[in-house]
Amino acid sequence: DVKVTQSSRYLVKRTGEKVFLECVQDMDHENMFWYRQDPGLGLRLIYFSYDVKMKEKGDIPEGYSVSREKKERFSLILESASTNQTSMYLCASSSGTAGQFFGPGTRLTVL
Amino acid sequence: GQNIDQPTEMTATEGAIVQINCTYQTSGFNGLFWYQQHAGEAPTFLSYNVLDGLEEKGRFSSFLSRSKGYSYLLLKELQMKDSASYLCAVRGGLSGGYNKLIFGAGTRLAVHP
Repeated sequence: DVKVTQSSRYLVKRTGEKVFLECVQDMDHENMFWYRQDPGLGLRLIYFSYDVKMKEKGDIPEGYSVSREKKERFSLILESASTNQTSMYLCASSSGTAGQFFGPGTRLTVL
Repeated sequence: GQNIDQPTEMTATEGAIVQINCTYQTSGFNGLFWYQQHAGEAPTFLSYNVLDGLEEKGRFSSFLSRSKGYSYLLLKELQMKDSASYLCAVRGGLSGGYNKLIFGAGTRLAVHP
């Protein structure tokens, strides 16, 4: 079974802090994604990567950056956290045209 | 623009059948996915349609009509554990060489005894 893990289930940070969210997948998938999920808005794509060191902006990249130094790991960085970045963050991975497999999510609260 | 519409909430009775509809308007189409998401958990893959017609998988079936931009997820013999959100997602046009998934806001299904 595909396993996608995220570093934390719950995280509380203060406004202005730099925040790192880590995602690791164990199935050698080339594609990895970061979404945020907010009530009534569904999943919105922040960034995705289709190869090591490659990244593409999704629909809402402002205020975020990403890093993919190794194939199995995709990190989401909030350079200076703000309260409007309080959300559920979901990482996913896929191979080719197959469906995406999601991690358990990180519920981030920015105070 | 790109748009995926599905009802916000639905209720149904244990043992019954429920149909969750999804309509979409996207720039390009390369398949439609249905995911199930229990509260506080990650979405899990349910079904995939790329050609018109019905795909059946146990108690769950999914239908696609590309000409109408329409899909539905059919859940039979409902169980209490089917209470969850159901997400419709379309793989649309190319962006940076990759077909992105565009998600609807999800339909929250409540199954009552």
